[in-house]
Amino acid sequence: DQQVKQNSPSLSVQEGRISILNCDYTNSMFDYFLWYKKYPAEGPTFLISISSIKDKNEDGRFTVFLNKSAKHLSLHIVPSQPGDSAVYFCAASEETSGSRLTFGEGTQLTVNP
Amino acid sequence: KAGVTQTPRYLIKTRGQQVTLSCSPISGHRSVSWYQQTPGQGLQFLFEYFSETQRNKGNFPGRFSGRQFSNSRSEMNVSTLELGDSALYLCASSSRTGGSYTFGSGTRLTVV
Repeated sequence: DQQVKQNSPSLSVQEGRISILNCDYTNSMFDYFLWYKKYPAEGPTFLISISSIKDKNEDGRFTVFLNKSAKHLSLHIVPSQPGDSAVYFCAASEETSGSRLTFGEGTQLTVNP
Repeated sequence: KAGVTQTPRYLIKTRGQQVTLSCSPISGHRSVSWYQQTPGQGLQFLFEYFSETQRNKGNFPGRFSGRQFSNSRSEMNVSTLELGDSALYLCASSSRTGGSYTFGSGTRLTVV
């Protein structure tokens, strides 16, 4: 039962353009969502998060949008840079489970110069 | 400040053996979680410790266990290793349960 899904295993964009990574979830109890970036041979690095009381959170080039009715969130990266090339994971948790993060399968983003 | 440190980085073990992995969280962080990453299953939650108590446990067999010490350092142990236990084991720490977690670089375990 995959409660968090990232349906695109890969995404390729040109440098300077927008990257949009998508994530869907099924568990309506999830109330906190995070995006992590992962390079090979390293652990995931926290990027940005959003709680269910908001629909948007912005941090520099990164913006996360949450659509609770659709159980969908997305990560926008503008402008995309070659150094953004990595695997991006979305993760979700529910307050009652505390730290337990449920991860999506990841999307490999490639930003071409 | 220093990040999350996991040792060893790489490990090769034989089926049937046991293994212990170590994690030193960021100073001041009291919550430590463990995840298993495999190509087929992605990142899966193993368990979380907070102030030496296991607060949460994922759906893994009893062969997987862990503990946390008074200085917040944590160990996880896998007994009777199986080939399917080959994975990247990641530790993450946080100043509180919930919220964002800082991950270590992981321990790559290979069972032969």
